[in-house]
Amino acid sequence: QQQVKQSPQSLIVQKGGISIINCAYENTAFDYFPWYQQFPGKGPALLIAIRPDVSEKKEGRFTISFNKSAKQFSLHIMDSQPGDSATYFCAASSNDYKLSFGAGTTVTVRA
Amino acid sequence: NAGVTQTPKFRVLKTGQSMTLLCAQDMNHEYMYWYRQDPGMGLRLIHYSVGEGTTAKGEVPDGYNVSRLKKQNFLLGLESAAPSQTSVYFCASRRLAGGRDYEQYFGPGTRLTVT
Repeated sequence: QQQVKQSPQSLIVQKGGISIINCAYENTAFDYFPWYQQFPGKGPALLIAIRPDVSEKKEGRFTISFNKSAKQFSLHIMDSQPGDSATYFCAASSNDYKLSFGAGTTVTVRA
Repeated sequence: NAGVTQTPKFRVLKTGQSMTLLCAQDMNHEYMYWYRQDPGMGLRLIHYSVGEGTTAKGEVPDGYNVSRLKKQNFLLGLESAAPSQTSVYFCASRRLAGGRDYEQYFGPGTRLTVT
């Protein structure tokens, strides 16, 4: 049973468009919510992360929105570029060393 | 720094064979993890270690064993491989959290096929 539910499974966006990936969780002990980016044939790498004490965090074209009451968080990729084509995983952690990952979203940016 | 490295990159096993996957990190990280990645399932934790000489079960530990004899190495063993263990295996490491930093650094993966 996955502790973090992620949607959609895949999405296609035109260059310059906005990609939105959503995640939901149940465990209220989670206090760290990272997003990992994975290119084909590579290991995942941390993209951006947020704590529940803020509702939004932005790094360049990537923004995390966090809704603590709804237990949901999302990744927005603004001005999507072909180089953003990858699989994105949301995850969550509490103070027990482990990350619980979502199932992943494959993003394809069409030029 | 090489970061996290994994050996081998690819392997094909027959059902019932055994093998060991090696993970090495040169960042002096305390925590190390083994995950498997399957289509539509995300990354699932197999076993992890919070320090040299310690190991613990993750979400899907059955059929796997691990050892952490040295701080920099984390070994994943399959004693009797089954087709259900066909997957891509990732190792990751993380430093002892100072403040609230939980970033995990991943290796490049090992693609294992069991026939």
